[in-house]
Order: sequence, then C-alpha cells, then structure tokens
Amino acid sequence: RKEVEQDPGPFNVPEGATVAFNCTYSNSASQSFFWYRQDCRKEPKLLMSVYSSGNEDGRFTAQLNRASQYISLLIRDSKLSDSATYLCVGPYSSASKIIFGSGTRLSIRP
Amino acid sequence: EPEVTQTPSHQVTQMGQEVILRCVPISNHLYFYWYRQILGQKVEFLVSFYNNEISEKSEIFDDQFSVERPDGSNFTLKIRSTKLEDSAMYFCASSEASGRYGYTFGSGTRLTVV
Repeated sequence: RKEVEQDPGPFNVPEGATVAFNCTYSNSASQSFFWYRQDCRKEPKLLMSVYSSGNEDGRFTAQLNRASQYISLLIRDSKLSDSATYLCVGPYSSASKIIFGSGTRLSIRP
Repeated sequence: EPEVTQTPSHQVTQMGQEVILRCVPISNHLYFYWYRQILGQKVEFLVSFYNNEISEKSEIFDDQFSVERPDGSNFTLKIRSTKLEDSAMYFCASSEASGRYGYTFGSGTRLTVV
C-alpha cells in the first residue's frame, strides 16, 4: 500500500460550490499531516496543518480521522483562484521527511 | 515573509556533466531537504539534512547525488554525471523542527539534461 494516496481527480466544479478531497495514509504512527497547494510549475505551498482536532481557516476545513487513517480537505464557496493541485502530505514517525501524495487537481469554472 | 531562495531558476546541461543546484534556506531553520518533481509526476523526496549530515535519503538519492552545506547559509545538491532522466524540477525546502510545522519550499530549479 502506498504511504499516502489521493484521488487524482480532476475535480471540475462551478464557482461557489463546496468540494471535498480525501487522502489515506498507511503509517499509523504518523503524527502530523498537511495540505499543500501547488500551482502549475510552481513550488508546493503550505495550505493547512492538520492536527488531531482538525483545523479551520476561512473557507478551508481539514479533518483527521485516525481510526480510518484518512485526512480530508473541504473548500466552501470555491473561487476561481482555488484552481490548483492539492497535495496531501504525511510524515514518517521519525519526522525526518514528509511524503507527498500524487495530488488532486481542482478546476473551478465560472 | 522569510523565503527559501534557489538558484539558478533554470539550468540546461549536457548528459554526463556535473551540476550544482544552490539553495539558501530560511536563516533560523535547522532542517534542510531536497525534493524533485518530474514533469507531470508527484513531488518525490530525495534527502534530508540536519546538523551537517544526511538524516535520511531515498532510493533515488544514489551515489551520483551529494549534498553539502559549505557555509552557514548555502545548501547545495550536486549531481555528478547527469542523465536524461534527471531532468526535473528540483525543490529545496527547510523547516524549523523536523517538519512538524510544515516545510517552506523554494521556487525550484528546472534542470534540463540534453
């Protein structure tokens, strides 16, 4: 089983819609997770950290489900500028590296 | 906002040549990383570096690769004899405390091997 698995999409949704992505992980010892955003040919940028209690930042909500070993990202009231690839990230328990999922492509249409 | 700086932004090299990719991590960060992304593929871990030594490396990071922190600010990735399949975007990253609060990535060096 891959360490971090994501639905590759693409998700194509209208502006204003709510969209959710899931990401599953295999290392039950993983302590912290992140969602990164990557625009075409750019570097990954940290969007949100995901800790045990979850996290909310404006239109973005991230949740962690340890029992089922997945994390989720919810985007409400989506904007055209939300179009990007969203990367799920989880570290090993040793925390000397983070592993990226293959990413979920999101396209917001007017 | 502090940032990770990478140079050059684009490097073209002939197969078999040595290349050095340079990075200036955020000044108070102690952990440094190199990742690569082949066009259309996922971001892959290469190596992590802490306290002047490699902490962990992937299978990709073979004897052709090496990293160095030659002074207090630079962090370099050297590829000794480049192959066509080394063509990719190389991202440097740094973090405060072994990634617990996420990594900050540089804007990358696009390496093209011809």
